[in-house]
Amino acid sequence: DAGITQSPRHKVTETGTPVTLRCHQTENHRYMYWYRQDPGHGLRLIHYSYGVKDTDKGEVSDGYSVSRSKTEDFLLTLESATSSQTSVYFCAISELGDNSPLHFGNGTRLTVT
Amino acid sequence: AQSVAQPEDQVNVAEGNPLTVKCTYSVSGNPYLFWYVQYPNRGLQFLLKYITGDNLVKGSYGFEAEFNKSQTSFHLKKPSALVSDSALYFCAVRAVNFGNEKLTFGTGTRLTIIP
Repeated sequence: DAGITQSPRHKVTETGTPVTLRCHQTENHRYMYWYRQDPGHGLRLIHYSYGVKDTDKGEVSDGYSVSRSKTEDFLLTLESATSSQTSVYFCAISELGDNSPLHFGNGTRLTVT
Repeated sequence: AQSVAQPEDQVNVAEGNPLTVKCTYSVSGNPYLFWYVQYPNRGLQFLLKYITGDNLVKGSYGFEAEFNKSQTSFHLKKPSALVSDSALYFCAVRAVNFGNEKLTFGTGTRLTIIP
């Protein structure tokens, strides 16, 4: 498995609280991504990064922000969690961007009550 | 906008039989196509990709996929199914040379191999 660690693996939080999910890689890959997985929707891209401090929005970015201060770390923040953000969140990395395979972490299951 | 359809939510196959998991796509121009597999409580794992060249692509664990441009399809196949192939399979597409477009994933097909 590619060296990708997501933390925490599980989290329960209350509506309105901020939440930060962390993705840490040891592969020194340039590209990092945050996806959410929901039944009936497959995977949807939230935000991605193409280098340190270089990030951009994905398909479902509202209510989320990201930061990448180091190559190895990509943080996803839910500014004020809502029940619609209950989901499984996956971090992915790739070496060469969109034409190269993505390598995924094992996910964070987030429940917003 | 690009899109991917996996028309079957669930596919059941007897062990030892050939299996097919269907995928059709819609993009402007030529596609990059991928198949991923997901086991319980794990992230997706890359199986194979089509970028250019031969329409028949071979990948991990004995899987292959055939790119059919006229039918805009990229079906995943395996000649003889194993119980260990039971998992959730995702097809994904991206348009070649289409600005900053990212991968679009299908909704997934759950494959169950019956012993």
